[in-house]
Parts: sequence; C-alpha cells; structure tokens
Amino acid sequence: NAGVTQTPKFRVLKTGQSMTLLCAQDMNHEYMYWYRQDPGMGLRLIHYSVGEGTTAKGEVPDGYNVSRLKKQNFLLGLESAAPSQTSVYFCASSIGGRGYYNEQFFGPGTRLTVL
Amino acid sequence: SQQGEEDPQALSIQEGENATMNCSYKTSINNLQWYRQNSGRGLVHLILIRSNEREKHSGRLRVTLDTSKKSSSLLITASRAADTASYFCAPMNTGFQKLVFGTGTRLLVSP
Repeated sequence: NAGVTQTPKFRVLKTGQSMTLLCAQDMNHEYMYWYRQDPGMGLRLIHYSVGEGTTAKGEVPDGYNVSRLKKQNFLLGLESAAPSQTSVYFCASSIGGRGYYNEQFFGPGTRLTVL
Repeated sequence: SQQGEEDPQALSIQEGENATMNCSYKTSINNLQWYRQNSGRGLVHLILIRSNEREKHSGRLRVTLDTSKKSSSLLITASRAADTASYFCAPMNTGFQKLVFGTGTRLLVSP
C-alpha cells in the first residue's frame, strides 16, 4: 500500500495564479484532512472531509477550496495565490473521527512558494 | 477540539540517553495521541493512550497520563540519532475531534 500520497511535491506560483493540490489514499479511509505548516509553528487545519461528497472548514479556510468527489481523493485548490499561502501543505486521512479511528496517517507534504 | 502544549520547546541529548517531553492540556479527554515529525516530512503516529490508562509502552517509548494533572509525558529510552525530530501531542475529547497541534518539542540527539 502506498498510504497517503501528495502531488506535486514542490511548486512555485506567482501571485494571483491558481493551482490544485491532489491527495490520494489507498486505505479506504472515510476522513481526510488538509493542513498547512509554517516555520516554527504547528500544523493548522485548513479543511477536512468526513466522507465522499462532504467537506467542512477547519481553522484557516480562507483562500482555499476543497472537493472530495471520490472517497480516495481530496483536492485542495488555491484560486488566487497570495504570498501568505507560502507554506508546506500536508494531507492526512483516518478511518473515522473517534478514539483509535482518529489516528491520522500523513502524506509527505507539498512545499508551495508564492512569489 | 483542544490543543496540547508541549514542553520543553527544545531538547538536546547524547545518543544512549533518555529523553522526556511533556504535554499539558486544559479540559478532560477521551484519549491522547503522540506524533513524531522528522524534518521536512509528514507526521507519524506513535502511540495513543486512553483516559483510563496510566501508562503505555511501545518499543522504546513509554507514555504516561495523569488526568488529575491534565498532563502526559513521552519517554524515549536509549535514544538514537534517528530519534531527532519534533514531537507533538494531541489531546482528544469524546466524539469527533479535529486534531489541533501545538508547536511541539524539537529533540536533537547527537552521536
């Protein structure tokens, strides 16, 4: 099993450009999450999904949109990138949202720079 | 959801020594999870301890939980250079909880 994979691994954008980050998991997990991590800070939750076709806002959702059309994929979109969105983005998934089922499995991250 | 606060912020030890890091939280929990993050990589789940457990072991890891003090500790015995990483705790209430991560403890293990 590949676990959680993310594409691309690195990306440089200019201010105002758009892009989509793709997260895929092959563990049949119901829940998926997008986090961002800035230098010296912990992870902050952007959006999450509790099942195919559902999405919900996390801690820092502004400037991002997400979609979960298929259970195994969770897409994070930036419609008009800003320098403040320069960060490392991590995707994660879990079986469910309670107890042991909330153990999260993380992808390797996408390093995004917005100039 | 609640955020755990890890202490110390940074810890530097020699290989073979034990490393202890602490986590404090504010409200009652159902369980508490510890994660490790190697530099530039995603987090890896280490261990989960339930609120009715006081101690749990996994290999060289020992986690304790004191619900009366609202605190947990992670002990890594006989540390190795490969243990160099940041360590995060995530206290969880009942029901669906979004994991909220603090800034972690940065552990440096020198050969």
